Amino acid sequence: DGGITQSPKYLFRKEGQNVTLSCEQNLNHDAMYWYRQDPGQGLRLIYYSQIVNDFQKGDIAEGYSVSREKKESFPLTVTSAQKNPTAFYLCASSIAGGPSTDTQYFGPGTRLTVL
Amino acid sequence: GDSVTQMEGPVTLSEEAFLTINCTYTATGYPSLFWYVQYPGEGLQLLLKATKADDKGSNKGFEATYRKETTSFHLEKGSVQVSDSAVYFCALSERYSSASKIIFGSGTRLSIRP
Repeated sequence: DGGITQSPKYLFRKEGQNVTLSCEQNLNHDAMYWYRQDPGQGLRLIYYSQIVNDFQKGDIAEGYSVSREKKESFPLTVTSAQKNPTAFYLCASSIAGGPSTDTQYFGPGTRLTVL
Repeated sequence: GDSVTQMEGPVTLSEEAFLTINCTYTATGYPSLFWYVQYPGEGLQLLLKATKADDKGSNKGFEATYRKETTSFHLEKGSVQVSDSAVYFCALSERYSSASKIIFGSGTRLSIRP
Protein backbone atom coordinates (compact mmCIF):
# COMPACT_ATOMS: atom_id res chain seq x y z
CA ASP A 1 0.00 0.00 0.00
CA GLY A 2 1.75 3.14 -1.22
CA GLY A 3 1.87 6.31 0.77
CA ILE A 4 3.78 8.83 2.83
CA THR A 5 4.66 8.27 6.47
CA GLN A 6 5.78 10.86 8.96
CA SER A 7 7.14 10.21 12.41
CA PRO A 8 6.68 10.92 15.18
CA LYS A 9 3.08 12.11 15.26
CA TYR A 10 3.77 14.32 18.28
CA LEU A 11 7.15 15.79 19.21
CA PHE A 12 8.18 17.92 22.14
CA ARG A 13 11.37 19.91 22.21
CA LYS A 14 13.09 22.13 24.71
CA GLU A 15 14.21 25.55 23.59
CA GLY A 16 17.69 25.51 22.12
CA GLN A 17 17.51 21.92 20.88
CA ASN A 18 17.60 20.76 17.29
CA VAL A 19 15.04 18.15 16.30
CA THR A 20 14.61 16.05 13.15
CA LEU A 21 11.26 15.10 11.62
CA SER A 22 11.09 12.01 9.46
CA CYS A 23 9.33 11.70 6.10
CA GLU A 24 9.33 8.52 4.01
CA GLN A 25 7.43 7.71 0.81
CA ASN A 26 7.06 4.54 -1.22
CA LEU A 27 5.23 6.14 -4.14
CA ASN A 28 8.39 6.28 -6.26
CA HIS A 29 7.98 10.06 -6.45
CA ASP A 30 11.01 12.16 -7.32
CA ALA A 31 9.85 15.44 -5.79
CA MET A 32 9.30 15.95 -2.05
CA TYR A 33 8.23 18.97 -0.01
CA TRP A 34 7.99 20.24 3.55
CA TYR A 35 5.25 22.62 4.70
CA ARG A 36 4.46 24.33 7.95
CA GLN A 37 0.88 24.92 9.11
CA ASP A 38 -0.03 27.34 11.90
CA PRO A 39 -3.48 27.41 13.53
CA GLY A 40 -6.13 28.92 11.29
CA GLN A 41 -3.71 29.41 8.44
CA GLY A 42 -2.84 27.79 5.17
CA LEU A 43 0.37 25.92 4.48
CA ARG A 44 3.70 27.58 3.83
CA LEU A 45 6.54 25.93 1.92
CA ILE A 46 9.78 25.39 3.84
CA TYR A 47 11.96 23.34 1.45
CA TYR A 48 11.50 21.16 -1.58
CA SER A 49 13.59 18.63 -3.46
CA GLN A 50 13.23 17.64 -7.08
CA ILE A 51 15.80 14.88 -7.08
CA VAL A 52 18.21 13.04 -4.80
CA ASN A 53 21.07 15.18 -3.45
CA ASP A 54 19.35 18.40 -4.52
CA PHE A 55 16.97 20.71 -2.66
CA GLN A 56 15.84 24.34 -2.73
CA LYS A 57 14.57 26.82 -0.19
CA GLY A 58 10.90 27.62 -0.06
CA ASP A 59 9.25 30.71 1.36
CA ILE A 60 10.21 30.22 5.03
CA ALA A 61 13.48 28.23 5.06
CA GLU A 62 15.24 30.21 7.80
CA GLY A 63 15.91 28.06 10.86
CA TYR A 64 15.35 24.79 8.99
CA SER A 65 17.60 22.34 7.14
CA VAL A 66 16.97 19.26 5.00
CA SER A 67 18.81 16.44 3.28
CA ARG A 68 17.89 14.15 0.41
CA GLU A 69 20.28 11.22 0.38
CA LYS A 70 17.67 8.70 -0.76
CA LYS A 71 14.73 9.02 -3.08
CA GLU A 72 12.35 7.72 -0.42
CA SER A 73 13.44 9.97 2.43
CA PHE A 74 13.40 13.72 3.05
CA PRO A 75 14.07 14.52 6.73
CA LEU A 76 13.58 18.03 8.09
CA THR A 77 15.70 19.42 10.94
CA VAL A 78 14.25 22.25 12.98
CA THR A 79 17.23 24.07 14.41
CA SER A 80 17.54 26.28 17.46
CA ALA A 81 17.70 29.22 15.07
CA GLN A 82 14.00 28.83 14.28
CA LYS A 83 12.40 31.41 16.58
CA ASN A 84 8.86 30.07 16.64
CA PRO A 85 8.99 26.36 15.78
CA THR A 86 5.72 25.23 17.40
CA ALA A 87 3.53 24.18 14.46
CA PHE A 88 2.11 21.29 12.47
CA TYR A 89 4.58 20.04 9.85
CA LEU A 90 3.44 18.31 6.69
CA CYS A 91 5.50 16.41 4.15
CA ALA A 92 4.33 15.87 0.58
CA SER A 93 5.54 14.30 -2.64
CA SER A 94 4.73 14.45 -6.34
CA ILE A 95 5.67 12.83 -9.61
CA ALA A 96 8.48 14.78 -11.29
CA GLY A 97 7.74 15.93 -14.79
CA GLY A 98 4.66 15.50 -16.92
CA PRO A 99 1.06 16.57 -16.35
CA SER A 100 0.80 14.99 -12.92
CA THR A 101 3.68 17.00 -11.48
CA ASP A 102 1.32 19.52 -9.97
CA THR A 103 -0.56 17.05 -7.74
CA GLN A 104 1.03 16.67 -4.34
CA TYR A 105 0.20 13.89 -1.88
CA PHE A 106 0.52 14.56 1.83
CA GLY A 107 1.60 12.60 4.87
CA PRO A 108 -0.33 12.62 8.19
CA GLY A 109 1.85 15.34 9.73
CA THR A 110 3.97 15.87 12.84
CA ARG A 111 2.89 18.26 15.56
CA LEU A 112 5.94 19.91 17.12
CA THR A 113 5.66 21.71 20.45
CA VAL A 114 8.49 23.67 21.99
CA LEU A 115 8.36 23.66 25.78
CA GLY B 1 2.57 36.99 -6.99
CA ASP B 2 -0.05 34.29 -7.31
CA SER B 3 -2.56 34.00 -4.50
CA VAL B 4 -5.73 32.21 -3.38
CA THR B 5 -8.59 33.74 -1.42
CA GLN B 6 -11.34 31.63 0.09
CA MET B 7 -14.30 32.46 2.25
CA GLU B 8 -13.63 32.68 5.94
CA GLY B 9 -15.17 30.18 8.26
CA PRO B 10 -16.41 28.64 10.24
CA VAL B 11 -19.31 27.52 8.11
CA THR B 12 -22.02 25.67 10.01
CA LEU B 13 -24.77 23.80 8.18
CA SER B 14 -27.40 21.24 8.97
CA GLU B 15 -27.15 17.76 7.50
CA GLU B 16 -28.48 17.51 3.92
CA ALA B 17 -28.01 21.26 3.33
CA PHE B 18 -26.43 22.61 0.15
CA LEU B 19 -22.80 23.67 0.49
CA THR B 20 -20.85 26.37 -1.32
CA ILE B 21 -17.35 27.45 -0.32
CA ASN B 22 -16.11 30.31 -2.44
CA CYS B 23 -12.58 30.44 -3.81
CA THR B 24 -10.97 32.98 -6.12
CA TYR B 25 -7.41 33.15 -7.36
CA THR B 26 -4.90 35.44 -9.00
CA ALA B 27 -2.29 33.96 -11.28
CA THR B 28 -0.10 35.12 -14.11
CA GLY B 29 -0.18 31.82 -15.98
CA TYR B 30 -2.60 28.93 -16.26
CA PRO B 31 -2.37 27.07 -12.99
CA SER B 32 -4.03 23.85 -11.97
CA LEU B 33 -6.61 24.30 -9.21
CA PHE B 34 -7.28 22.02 -6.27
CA TRP B 35 -9.45 21.44 -3.26
CA TYR B 36 -7.82 19.63 -0.35
CA VAL B 37 -9.60 18.45 2.81
CA GLN B 38 -8.08 18.11 6.28
CA TYR B 39 -9.78 16.09 8.99
CA PRO B 40 -8.87 16.84 12.63
CA GLY B 41 -5.29 15.93 13.48
CA GLU B 42 -4.55 14.59 10.02
CA GLY B 43 -2.68 15.61 6.89
CA LEU B 44 -4.27 16.98 3.74
CA GLN B 45 -6.13 14.74 1.30
CA LEU B 46 -6.68 15.70 -2.31
CA LEU B 47 -10.42 16.09 -2.81
CA LEU B 48 -10.56 17.17 -6.46
CA LYS B 49 -8.62 19.03 -9.11
CA ALA B 50 -9.03 20.79 -12.45
CA THR B 51 -6.21 21.53 -14.83
CA LYS B 52 -7.72 23.90 -17.41
CA ALA B 53 -10.54 26.36 -17.94
CA ASP B 54 -14.07 24.91 -17.83
CA ASP B 55 -12.83 21.62 -16.38
CA LYS B 56 -15.02 20.26 -13.61
CA GLY B 57 -13.42 18.29 -10.80
CA SER B 58 -15.61 15.97 -8.78
CA ASN B 59 -15.24 13.45 -5.98
CA LYS B 60 -17.44 12.09 -3.16
CA GLY B 61 -20.35 14.31 -4.23
CA PHE B 62 -18.23 17.48 -4.23
CA GLU B 63 -17.77 19.49 -7.43
CA ALA B 64 -15.84 22.56 -8.53
CA THR B 65 -15.53 24.17 -11.97
CA TYR B 66 -12.46 26.06 -13.19
CA ARG B 67 -13.83 29.46 -14.25
CA LYS B 68 -11.13 31.48 -15.94
CA GLU B 69 -13.40 34.44 -16.70
CA THR B 70 -14.18 34.95 -13.02
CA THR B 71 -10.93 33.41 -11.70
CA SER B 72 -12.94 31.20 -9.40
CA PHE B 73 -13.08 27.57 -8.29
CA HIS B 74 -16.01 27.35 -5.88
CA LEU B 75 -16.61 24.08 -4.05
CA GLU B 76 -20.19 22.73 -3.98
CA LYS B 77 -22.03 19.74 -2.62
CA GLY B 78 -25.73 19.13 -2.92
CA SER B 79 -26.32 17.40 0.42
CA VAL B 80 -23.71 17.48 3.16
CA GLN B 81 -23.22 14.85 5.83
CA VAL B 82 -21.83 15.03 9.35
CA SER B 83 -18.77 13.17 8.07
CA ASP B 84 -17.97 16.14 5.78
CA SER B 85 -16.99 18.22 8.82
CA ALA B 86 -13.38 19.24 8.18
CA VAL B 87 -11.21 22.11 7.00
CA TYR B 88 -11.22 22.69 3.24
CA PHE B 89 -8.32 24.33 1.41
CA CYS B 90 -8.45 25.81 -2.05
CA ALA B 91 -5.08 25.84 -3.81
CA LEU B 92 -3.36 26.52 -7.08
CA SER B 93 -0.23 24.99 -8.48
CA GLU B 94 2.62 26.70 -10.25
CA ARG B 95 4.68 24.22 -12.16
CA TYR B 96 8.37 24.77 -12.68
CA SER B 97 11.04 22.35 -13.76
CA SER B 98 10.27 18.94 -12.31
CA ALA B 99 8.53 20.10 -9.14
CA SER B 100 5.52 22.21 -8.36
CA LYS B 101 4.73 24.94 -5.88
CA ILE B 102 1.28 24.93 -4.35
CA ILE B 103 -0.21 28.12 -2.98
CA PHE B 104 -2.92 27.49 -0.42
CA GLY B 105 -5.80 29.57 0.77
CA SER B 106 -6.19 30.00 4.50
CA GLY B 107 -8.77 27.23 4.81
CA THR B 108 -12.48 27.13 5.62
CA ARG B 109 -13.68 25.12 8.60
CA LEU B 110 -16.96 23.33 7.90
CA SER B 111 -19.15 21.95 10.69
CA ILE B 112 -22.26 19.89 9.93
CA ARG B 113 -25.00 19.53 12.55
CA PRO B 114 -26.92 16.25 12.69
